[in-house]
Amino acid sequence: DTEVTQTPKHLVMGMTNKKSLKCEQHMGHRAMYWYKQKAKKPPELMFVYSYEKLSINESVPSRFSPECPNSSLLNLHLHALQPEDSALYLCASSHAMPTGGGYGYTFGSGTRLTVV
Amino acid sequence: AQRVTQPEKLLSVFKGAPVELKCNYSYSGSPELFWYVQYSRQRLQLLLRHISRESIKGFTADLNKGETSFHLKKPFAQEEDSAMYYCALKRDNTGKLIFGQGTTLQVKP
Repeated sequence: DTEVTQTPKHLVMGMTNKKSLKCEQHMGHRAMYWYKQKAKKPPELMFVYSYEKLSINESVPSRFSPECPNSSLLNLHLHALQPEDSALYLCASSHAMPTGGGYGYTFGSGTRLTVV
Repeated sequence: AQRVTQPEKLLSVFKGAPVELKCNYSYSGSPELFWYVQYSRQRLQLLLRHISRESIKGFTADLNKGETSFHLKKPFAQEEDSAMYYCALKRDNTGKLIFGQGTTLQVKP
């Protein structure tokens, strides 16, 4: 299995809702990432998990709460979002640092989130 | 600070013409550089990585440390090459991947 699977593919939520995005990979990667991508813009890093521990939080608002329950799963819990949080949320995985070999990330197809 | 610059938002060429998508980077350490491609309505895919010096779909990219560049080239563009192309730099100690702003390649028939 060489894919990163994200569910759901689409999500519409109200500003008072609580929802979760899920990401799964079975490539043995020990680093997992959440990115946010607005239309026609590059992905922006939100969180990095390395060996199931949060290693980077790019000053993301607390209404986004990541969780890595095991080495194959990554969740992003959403609560009290704003309309400007509407975007494509991408999950990615890779070999954990420090490693050489110039390994890139494998990206999922994303969850398109609309906050109403 | 680490930075990746793709100076062209849009590059439009005719089928069969050569293509060069420019990428310059700023990083004081040992960079790992990548090209990613995003076809319409598809996921972001790794196209090339500098360390492998491979050719994928006819594309090549050479790291030039003197000019801090990693330009993507293809001698003869095909219509199916039309997509968004992102140059990305990975920091060697954190794995953090930083993207350029992207270049839309449009190959006209």
